[in-house]
Amino acid sequence: EVQLVESGGGLVQPGGSLRLSCAASGFTFSDHYMDWVRQAPGKGLEWVARTRNKAKSYTTEYAASVKGRFTISRDDSKNSLFLQMNSLRTEDTAVYYCARGYVSRGYWTFDYWGQGTPVTVSS
Amino acid sequence: DIQMTQSPSSLSASVGDRVTITCRASQGLDNYLAWFQQKPGEAPKSLIYDASSLQSGVPSKFSGSRSGTDFTLTISSLQPEDSATYYCQQYNSYPLTFGGGTKVEIK
Repeated sequence: EVQLVESGGGLVQPGGSLRLSCAASGFTFSDHYMDWVRQAPGKGLEWVARTRNKAKSYTTEYAASVKGRFTISRDDSKNSLFLQMNSLRTEDTAVYYCARGYVSRGYWTFDYWGQGTPVTVSS
Repeated sequence: DIQMTQSPSSLSASVGDRVTITCRASQGLDNYLAWFQQKPGEAPKSLIYDASSLQSGVPSKFSGSRSGTDFTLTISSLQPEDSATYYCQQYNSYPLTFGGGTKVEIK
């Protein structure tokens, strides 16, 4: 059974930093692209960042709203995904979901999602 | 960036009704379109990928189609457990983008 369990969320002041983690199990983690997607309170879904797999040299993509402030990374030996968030802003307040990449015809969407970890940026 | 415009933003329908949700892309994205269902307080669940392919375990009452840059999610016979918000998502190009969501309620 595929499981994704996020942790590391919490309350942080504007300008602060936070590191989110996602522990994966039930599948071959190293084969998959992995993503972070967030959802602000009462709002829709917003893709944040992606890390490709080893076959694609772990290259990354970011939403413009977080580029230069957030860094996605992974540790295949520990089946773990991370999101280092720096220079946090109040508009980064959201539930952050870890999502597994799903490939069809060479293009990747998501299939399984974790339950999310809440991040609140406030003074 | 590809903008995804979803309509309606909300709808109310009766049990047994056929429900249709539309997502319009601002530019072509081939069939690289997915649909997700999210119930209150829960994580999103994948329903459809490649515009019309059902994810494993998803009931066949859900179906998807494409006409040019217009994509449709249909629920053939609405049931109480289908009350949720539905999102489309394009994965043709970066940044990956979602529609604004459609909240489906049961009358």
